[in-house]
Amino acid sequence: NAGVTQTPKFQVLKTGQSMTLQCAQDMNHNSMYWYRQDPGMGLRLIYYSASEGTTDKGEVPNGYNVSRLNKREFSLRLESAAPSQTSVYFCASSVQGNYGYTFGSGTRLTVV
Amino acid sequence: GENVEQHPSTLSVQEGDSAVIKCTYSDSASNYFPWYKQELGKRPQLIIDIRSNVGEKKDQRIAVTLNKTAKHFSLHITETQPEDSAVYFCAASWDNQGGKLIFGQGTELSVKP
Repeated sequence: NAGVTQTPKFQVLKTGQSMTLQCAQDMNHNSMYWYRQDPGMGLRLIYYSASEGTTDKGEVPNGYNVSRLNKREFSLRLESAAPSQTSVYFCASSVQGNYGYTFGSGTRLTVV
Repeated sequence: GENVEQHPSTLSVQEGDSAVIKCTYSDSASNYFPWYKQELGKRPQLIIDIRSNVGEKKDQRIAVTLNKTAKHFSLHITETQPEDSAVYFCAASWDNQGGKLIFGQGTELSVKP
């Protein structure tokens, strides 16, 4: 039982490059989330998927897209990376709304 | 929009003392309030949570209190130990919003031996 698995753990991109962050959970959770963490700003919600087949914008969605591929997988895509997207990205899942999250181990992304 | 404010941003205590971290939320419809602990370089982990139909919840040395009228909730850690040193985040969510949590800015707790 791996919980929430994120890949990659580290990534360096050049400005304008694209990439997809992968997230998978094996807990049969319905809801999945993507957050970014920046110093002094806590965790800010980028996008979320309350259930398979649905996605919604969070607090800071600009520059990102998501895909809920199936119940297990929720990916985050940066189409044209910018230095402002340098951050640590966390994926999380919960059994359903209004329950605690299980977080993945994070992806440290640097855009140069 | 919804907002969660957390104070203080840093807190230093002596081992054995108590620590209190406070959060306020803006949306009166919020009804779920978890707390997460994040050690350096690690993922956030849920340590305790409370729902709006409960005023207080305890788990060993950790307790959370909720004041719905004032729209604030607090984390209390008693008999602090060096391993309590970490960043603590409060959060809030409410029904019919997909379970999305809005997080506070975090409190860096340092427990000095």
